[in-house]
Amino acid sequence: QVRLQESGPGLVKPSETLSLTCSISGGFIKSSDYYWAWIRQPPRRGLEWIGSISFDGRTYQNWSLKSRFSFSVDTSKNQFSLRLNSVTAADTAVYFCARMIFGVPKAFNWFDSWGQGMLVSVSS
Amino acid sequence: EVVMTQFPATLSVSPGERATLSCTASQSINANLAWYQVRSGQPPRLLIYSKSTRATGIPPRFSGSGSGTDFTLTITSLQSEDFAVYFCQQFDTLPVTFGQGTRLEIK
Repeated sequence: QVRLQESGPGLVKPSETLSLTCSISGGFIKSSDYYWAWIRQPPRRGLEWIGSISFDGRTYQNWSLKSRFSFSVDTSKNQFSLRLNSVTAADTAVYFCARMIFGVPKAFNWFDSWGQGMLVSVSS
Repeated sequence: EVVMTQFPATLSVSPGERATLSCTASQSINANLAWYQVRSGQPPRLLIYSKSTRATGIPPRFSGSGSGTDFTLTITSLQSEDFAVYFCQQFDTLPVTFGQGTRLEIK
């Protein structure tokens, strides 16, 4: 059974860059059946898909979140990562990584495995 | 983007009873809907995809139905472990979007 685990700083100062990594165990990132996703949940709000990346680096982002996010993948470490530039208090949220079903029935589908999530606070 | 609205925000039901959770899309999403359960301190768990297909290991007391814009998650014979928060998610159109969640609590 695949497991995902987020890691990174729990506290980031405003205007700095947030970097999070998701480590995959029990499965391999190199699969054409999946994209690897980031989702966040701000306090007292719903879940928000940030974007997804394939094992070979193709990315799709939530256009409504603008383009402060970047995504990368390291197949040698079975990990993928998220970077967010110029963070503000509005970026305070629980960040989840997840595995996204790709290809059928739509190009991008549901999330069948999730990390535990980690709270990232933006504060000076 | 497609806006997903869940209601009620909180639902109080007694153990052993049936719970009915609703999710409405701002436009037709065909059958491209998933449901998730989030228990306190645990990651979201996929329950249902493509409107009504149970994910691996999900017991048959969980069922999904609906079409177009209106969808329902029904949980029969509520067990103690079923009291949690439930989210719907559409994947018909990018960006995929989630509802705000329904909290199912013990009455």
